[in-house]
Amino acid sequence: QKEVEQNSGPLSVPEGAIASLNCTYSDRGSQSFFWYRQYSGKSPELIMFIYSNGDKEDGRFTAQLNKASQYVSLLIRDSQPSDSATYLCAVSTNAGKSTFGDGTTLTVKP
Amino acid sequence: DAGVTQSPTHLIKTRGQQVTLRCSPKSGHDTVSWYQQALGQGPQFIFQYYEEEERQRGNFPDRFSGHQYPNYSSELNVNALLLGDSALYLCASSLGRDSPLHFGNGTRLTVT
Repeated sequence: QKEVEQNSGPLSVPEGAIASLNCTYSDRGSQSFFWYRQYSGKSPELIMFIYSNGDKEDGRFTAQLNKASQYVSLLIRDSQPSDSATYLCAVSTNAGKSTFGDGTTLTVKP
Repeated sequence: DAGVTQSPTHLIKTRGQQVTLRCSPKSGHDTVSWYQQALGQGPQFIFQYYEEEERQRGNFPDRFSGHQYPNYSSELNVNALLLGDSALYLCASSLGRDSPLHFGNGTRLTVT
């Protein structure tokens, strides 16, 4: 079992729809959770981070964390074609090592 | 405010050779992590440097080594290159060891 697992995708949604990206992790000691976006041929860039159970909203993005279920998700509201990218979930323990999933590729169709 | 800078951008090496990749962290950051990303996969953790010491290491052989200098810049060295070492090598800096990562543009290494 991989330490961090994401929907294999690809995920395709129409413009204006809600995109839902999911991630599960195996280490119950994980304390920090991150979502990164990676455009083709580019390096990852941070979208959001969340440390506590519940929801965290930033503009069109909402991260949700459920430590009991070892589950973290990212919702993108009003999806735009510019949101088309690979989304990487990363999980970190207090030791500082961030472990990444293999990513979910999102395509937003105009 | 300069972000994370990596050099070189691209590199072609022959199997068996050695390579050194360099990284300057974002201003104010003290921790540098190195990742290897193969095509279609997520970044794989190589190691992390903090206070000039290797603090964490992933499942990579000893052929992969690194260094952090007093100015927080870092190097990744890979000896005895294998074809399987061909990948995008990402350097990421952070303030502290459990903070969000800021990535450089990466070094694309091709081993022939």
